[in-house]
Amino acid sequence: EAGVAQSPRYKIIEKRQSVAFWCNPISGHATLYWYQQILGQGPKLLIQFQNNGVVDDSQLPKDRFSAERLKGVDSTLKIQPAKLEDSAVYLCASSRTDSGNTIYFGEGSWLTVV
Amino acid sequence: SQQGEEDPQALSIQEGENATMNCSYKTSINNLQWYRQNSGRGLVHLILIRSNEREKHSGRLRVTLDTSKKSSSLLITASRAADTASYFCATDAYNQGGKLIFGQGTELSVKP
Repeated sequence: EAGVAQSPRYKIIEKRQSVAFWCNPISGHATLYWYQQILGQGPKLLIQFQNNGVVDDSQLPKDRFSAERLKGVDSTLKIQPAKLEDSAVYLCASSRTDSGNTIYFGEGSWLTVV
Repeated sequence: SQQGEEDPQALSIQEGENATMNCSYKTSINNLQWYRQNSGRGLVHLILIRSNEREKHSGRLRVTLDTSKKSSSLLITASRAADTASYFCATDAYNQGGKLIFGQGTELSVKP
């Protein structure tokens, strides 16, 4: 089966600009996650969707980050305005259910804010 | 907040040796999972161990779980250069709606 698709793979923007990342999960996976991974650290969950509803967004900086999952399939993560500390890899992942199942990651979108 | 803490942070061994990585966590869990991340790539699931299991094997991987000590270990036997990667434990904490919390990872280097 096709894996989790993400785009773009790489993006360089100036601080205060905006950026959007797109994710297409594995077909049939109800749960979608966005993680932020700063170099040298483990992934940190930003937001978790179950179908098109938000399950957890407690660590999403809502003043600058937003995410949506229309029709319960694809998702976009937007950052506006970007800060230098947002430089990281943004990993999208999906799973069949929200508990006890393996989650499958995409290759990530690498963001550099200069 | 990070639930799992891996130890050591970095490990360098020769091909053919065994590699052991440890993970400690803080709260009760439904399961604990180990993932591998090659440089510049996404994470790949290796193995899942449920809270009522004590040991699990998959190929050259052996995972143990001690819920009384809130710790887990990942053993890679007969390591290969291709095992060079970062390894993360992730906990599915009880009553957290399936949210997976990752540790900081162990960076494993296997020298040929």
